[in-house]
Amino acid sequence: EAQVTQNPRYLITVTGKKLTVTCSQNMNHEYMSWYRQDPGLGLRQIYYSMNVEVTDKGDVPEGYKVSRKEKRNFPLILESPSPNQTSLYFCASSLALHNEQFFGPGTRLTVL
Amino acid sequence: ILNVEQSPQSLHVQEGDSTNFTCSFPSSNFYALHWYRWETAKSPEALFVMTLNGDEKKKGRISATLNTKEGYSYLYIKGSQPEDSATYLCAFHNTNAGKSTFGDGTTLTVKP
Repeated sequence: EAQVTQNPRYLITVTGKKLTVTCSQNMNHEYMSWYRQDPGLGLRQIYYSMNVEVTDKGDVPEGYKVSRKEKRNFPLILESPSPNQTSLYFCASSLALHNEQFFGPGTRLTVL
Repeated sequence: ILNVEQSPQSLHVQEGDSTNFTCSFPSSNFYALHWYRWETAKSPEALFVMTLNGDEKKKGRISATLNTKEGYSYLYIKGSQPEDSATYLCAFHNTNAGKSTFGDGTTLTVKP
């Protein structure tokens, strides 16, 4: 089944404890992206990648890192999480830049 | 950060009513405009990808139009049904970058 997977789905952690949220797609998509969604707001783009080893900042990249060493994986890294990073996170992929995006199931992160 | 606005923020209609809402975006450097449907507790799913001025797309009772010169797109739902209840998001893509800028969404509630 064609899909985007994210792990974990739910995570409660403490300030400063490094964490990684994984994202994987099995559709051979070139474009991958991370978004966060906060109450009352739409999706805000954190980072995106147009292909392997090509990543760039979205609108809210502060406090996050990403890597794209393989086409299928695009992990989101929080080196030192803070409470303002408590949010719902979505990973998405598309065949190429500007094509429709397919979203993962979301990861709800709480930083205490 | 590019300004993508959706109106109204929320809408309550009766079953059978037809409705429409708006997405406004920058009229310069336009590349594509996406519409997504986001049901509670699920992930956003693509409805339409629109790229040409004057584009009209249709999927069942839902249709969309695009005006790139003035920077807006309309989404129409004919004969709303309770299962149409969701948040509808638009996403603007410009030519200069791989960024994807979402509006805050219009939340539609259809009462039986």
